[in-house]
Amino acid sequence: EPEVTQTPSHQVTQMGQEVILRCVPISNHLYFYWYRQILGQKVEFLVSFYNNEISEKSEIFDDQFSVERPDGSNFTLKIRSTKLEDSAMYFCASSGSSLDFRGYTFGSGTRLTVV
Amino acid sequence: QKEVEQNSGPLSVPEGAIASLNCTYSDRGSQSFFWYRQYSGKSPELIMSIYSNGDKEDGRFTAQLNKASQYVSLLIRDSQPSDSATYLCAVNILTGGATNKLIFGTGTLLAVQP
Repeated sequence: EPEVTQTPSHQVTQMGQEVILRCVPISNHLYFYWYRQILGQKVEFLVSFYNNEISEKSEIFDDQFSVERPDGSNFTLKIRSTKLEDSAMYFCASSGSSLDFRGYTFGSGTRLTVV
Repeated sequence: QKEVEQNSGPLSVPEGAIASLNCTYSDRGSQSFFWYRQYSGKSPELIMSIYSNGDKEDGRFTAQLNKASQYVSLLIRDSQPSDSATYLCAVNILTGGATNKLIFGTGTLLAVQP
């Protein structure tokens, strides 16, 4: 079964450092997403991406965040200057259709720990 | 603010019983609804989707939708200890853009006792 692959599985970084979280969506999917889940809290939407541009972003997704699809296969989330409150699980997701939406396939996640 | 509400639990049921999980949502325009299962420390796994009023069955799982009451439920028959997980209700919010956005509830922790 096709999978969404995320790397690394766990990243520890110092406050103020830049991090890049990587995702390889399912190959024929066109719609890409990042969600995050702070420990013990709900899964929250960050951003959606289609046709090489951001389609929608949440209030969480401020100027410190950016996304990119640099080479047609990878989909990355960059946090420029990490804060303690950025510590969370970050999930990448992809879907094959917008009009016939059948739910996302999530990747296994990256646990980001900011110290 | 569009919300999805779930009882956080824990919901404890004996092995072999029916587990009933409930969810309400605030956005009347929502058309598609999903149940995800999440084991501790893992990513959400899609187990059921439902789009029309009524029941939808898939194996031991039955999803129920009542759009008039803005209510979605998930029944798990013959519950097994391996079903012990957090069950997340998610609602697709129409944004007017090209993509879909899921709003998740906080999840209900299900514990199936052997």
